[in-house]
Amino acid sequence: GQQVMQIPQYQHVQEGEDFTTYCNSSTTLSNIQWYKQRPGGHPVFLIQLVKSGEVKKQKRLTFQFGEAKKNSSLHITATQTTDVGTYFCAGGNDYKLSFGAGTTVTVRA
Amino acid sequence: NAGVTQTPKFQVLKTGQSMTLQCAQDMNHEYMSWYRQDPGMGLRLIHYSVGAGITDQGEVPNGYNVSRSTTEDFPLRLLSAAPSQTSVYFCASSYRPPWDSLPRNEQYFGPGTRLTVT
Repeated sequence: GQQVMQIPQYQHVQEGEDFTTYCNSSTTLSNIQWYKQRPGGHPVFLIQLVKSGEVKKQKRLTFQFGEAKKNSSLHITATQTTDVGTYFCAGGNDYKLSFGAGTTVTVRA
Repeated sequence: NAGVTQTPKFQVLKTGQSMTLQCAQDMNHEYMSWYRQDPGMGLRLIHYSVGAGITDQGEVPNGYNVSRSTTEDFPLRLLSAAPSQTSVYFCASSYRPPWDSLPRNEQYFGPGTRLTVT
């Protein structure tokens, strides 16, 4: 069945540095969504990508969808303490949306 | 709009007890779903519904029942609680199913219910 793998599981970042989290699927996806969950909170939708090679930006966050629609990445520049939390990707296909295990980000001030 | 509401926030059950987790949304969303979240395993889909009167199983449905008699409500029933069901449960809703690439398919999550089974 469809599986979405996300790496790394944990990311410890110095404030001001950049980092990237990656999402890989065993099957071609129709769409990919990204969510953020703050500690103790609930997942909140960030963005959706649907086109091959699509790139979208939200301030310091850049989201990419691979050419083969099997992988995606989230790149954060100049990390701030407000970026703390767990970032989930979720891939859609065949009437299912499968979540990755998430990347938990901590920030050193 | 209240968005997606869930009750209770916390619950402790003994093995074998049954209970219902409540979920309601006031956004007129057709699609609703229940997830459980366990450390290191992301969000796993338990059951979902694409509209009133229609429900289907997700990837981890055993031990849980759902019904959808109205658009607004989607309760999750634990039939006979087991320690393996200790988890955080999230209800979510969206206008369209999240696997649909069209706009308005983003899921809105409730605040969650933290369940412990002893």
